[in-house]
Amino acid sequence: SQQGEEDPQALSIQEGENATMNCSYKTSINNLQWYRQNSGRGLVHLILIRSNEREKHSGRLRVTLDTSKKSSSLLITASRAADTASYFCASGDKVIFGPGTSLSVIP
Amino acid sequence: KAGVTQTPRYLIKTRGQQVTLSCSPISGHRSVSWYQQTPGQGLQFLFEYFSETQRNKGNFPGRFSGRQFSNSRSEMNVSTLELGDSALYLCASSLAGGSYGNTIYFGEGSWLTVV
Repeated sequence: SQQGEEDPQALSIQEGENATMNCSYKTSINNLQWYRQNSGRGLVHLILIRSNEREKHSGRLRVTLDTSKKSSSLLITASRAADTASYFCASGDKVIFGPGTSLSVIP
Repeated sequence: KAGVTQTPRYLIKTRGQQVTLSCSPISGHRSVSWYQQTPGQGLQFLFEYFSETQRNKGNFPGRFSGRQFSNSRSEMNVSTLELGDSALYLCASSLAGGSYGNTIYFGEGSWLTVV
């Protein structure tokens, strides 16, 4: 079974709005990573948050981690059409990925 | 520096054949992982190699195998191909493994179609 589960599975927003995606995982982790994948391409690393961190920022990205709830969230602020992609969280010894959230940003 | 390189990018095989996919990691990276991505199953972990040893393995049948060479380059092999093996196969490399807090870098993948 997969270690991570993203929610929602699909999200459609207008350009300029914020997008929030959530990830829940099952076992204890050392770190959790978020990735983006454009259609049919490889995955691009976005941000890594360690288990002793609660929040991390990178440009328009903000990631939070709640180890007590085994969950993480990715916030993309002021979204752009170029943010349209699938977003995955990954964690665990085997770096297992969830099914992803498909984000569509409408110009 | 060069990224993760996968070859071939696209290939078509017939049921029952076998296929070998190649991955060259980023220079200095010793961990190489392989994933299968399909619309129905999403990203599935195949296996991870570190210093020529398989360190982790996913839930795939024995038809799926891999190896890593002393220069960290890796190959994966699928024997007796089935239609359901049609997928994007992704290779990823990192210094010592994602579970150790290393950033994982992905190649563009190899698209396998089994007919």
